Amino acid sequence: EAQVTQNPRYLITVTGKKLTVTCSQNMNHEYMSWYRQDPGLGLRQIYYSMNVEVTDKGDVPEGYKVSRKEKRNFPLILESPSPNQTSLYFCASSPQGATNEKLFFGSGTQLSVL
Amino acid sequence: SQQGEEDPQALSIQEGENATMNCSYKTSINNLQWYRQNSGRGLVHLILIRSNEREKHSGRLRVTLDTSKKSSSLLITASRAADTASYFCATKMTGRRALTFGSGTRLQVQP
Repeated sequence: EAQVTQNPRYLITVTGKKLTVTCSQNMNHEYMSWYRQDPGLGLRQIYYSMNVEVTDKGDVPEGYKVSRKEKRNFPLILESPSPNQTSLYFCASSPQGATNEKLFFGSGTQLSVL
Repeated sequence: SQQGEEDPQALSIQEGENATMNCSYKTSINNLQWYRQNSGRGLVHLILIRSNEREKHSGRLRVTLDTSKKSSSLLITASRAADTASYFCATKMTGRRALTFGSGTRLQVQP
């Protein structure tokens, strides 16, 4: 089944403790992206990747890192999480990131930073 | 502020009624997409309408686009309880890679 898989589904951590949220897709998509969703703000893009070893900042990249060493994986790294990063995170992918493509989303990761 | 703004923020209707949601945006777009999100879950793509199209249908969904007014509407006909979800419009502005999402309309369909 074609899907985008995120782990974990829920995560509670403390300020400053490094964490990684994993994302994997099995559709051979070149384009992958991370969004965060906050009440009243919709989804905002954190980082995106057009292909292996090609990443770029989205609208809200501060406090986040990403890497794209393999086509299928696009982990999101929070080196020193802070409470304002408490949010619902989504990974998404599309074949080539072209303007007429739809995004495929993972099920989300609810992160709480205490 | 968001590129896409949905209206209303929340909508409650009875099963069998039609639901209409609107989306306004600010700048030129290549296309506009609508997504659905069940509570706390990932978004699912519903329909894409290109900037040179005025109307598009998919099952019980009808989407219109008025580029002169920079607005789009999503109509769900003969709604069902299972249509209860949040609906988002997303636009890809000319020259930008990212889809920009609005804040969404929460639709509640009462059985």
